[in-house]
Amino acid sequence: DVKVTQSSRYLVKRTGEKVFLECVQDMDHENMFWYRQDPGLGLRLIYFSYDVKMKEKGDIPEGYSVSREKKERFSLILESASTNQTSMYLCASSLPAGDEQPQHFGDGTRLSIL
Amino acid sequence: SQQGEEDPQALSIQEGENATMNCSYKTSINNLQWYRQNSGRGLVHLILIRSNEREKHSGRLRVTLDTSKKSSSLLITASRAADTASYFCATALSGYSTLTFGKGTMLLVSP
Repeated sequence: DVKVTQSSRYLVKRTGEKVFLECVQDMDHENMFWYRQDPGLGLRLIYFSYDVKMKEKGDIPEGYSVSREKKERFSLILESASTNQTSMYLCASSLPAGDEQPQHFGDGTRLSIL
Repeated sequence: SQQGEEDPQALSIQEGENATMNCSYKTSINNLQWYRQNSGRGLVHLILIRSNEREKHSGRLRVTLDTSKKSSSLLITASRAADTASYFCATALSGYSTLTFGKGTMLLVSP
């Protein structure tokens, strides 16, 4: 089975801090994704990556950046955390679109910015 | 832009009953997928239906797709308390790996 591991289930940080959320997948998937999930808004795509060192903006990239130095690892960075970034963050991975493969999700990181 | 929209937002049924959730979308798609999310956990893929398919089954799940109406439905037969979760539809455009998720239907199955 595909396993997507997010480094923390719960995280509390302060406004202005630089925050790193880590995600690792063990199935050699080309694609990796970061979403945030908020009540009433569903899942919204922040950034995704098709390959190492490649990144594409999703629907809500403002205030975030990403890093993919190795195929199995995709990091989400909050450059200067703000309270409106308090949310559930979900990482996912998948094979390329041509295979019509589903996305596999980690269990999420619930991030609170105080 | 929000592609899929689920209906109803919440559904409460008794064990043994069937649960039906609907999803509508706005533009042409390559495939439509359904996911389940248990409270506080990540999403789990349930079933994928391609744009040239009309119906698909997986265990107690039945998915239909009507591309002329741009809608899909997920039927869970003989529901169990363990089916309590949020259910999301997600649409994929041709040639793209990204999915656009709806806001979900929260299903509560009471014993």
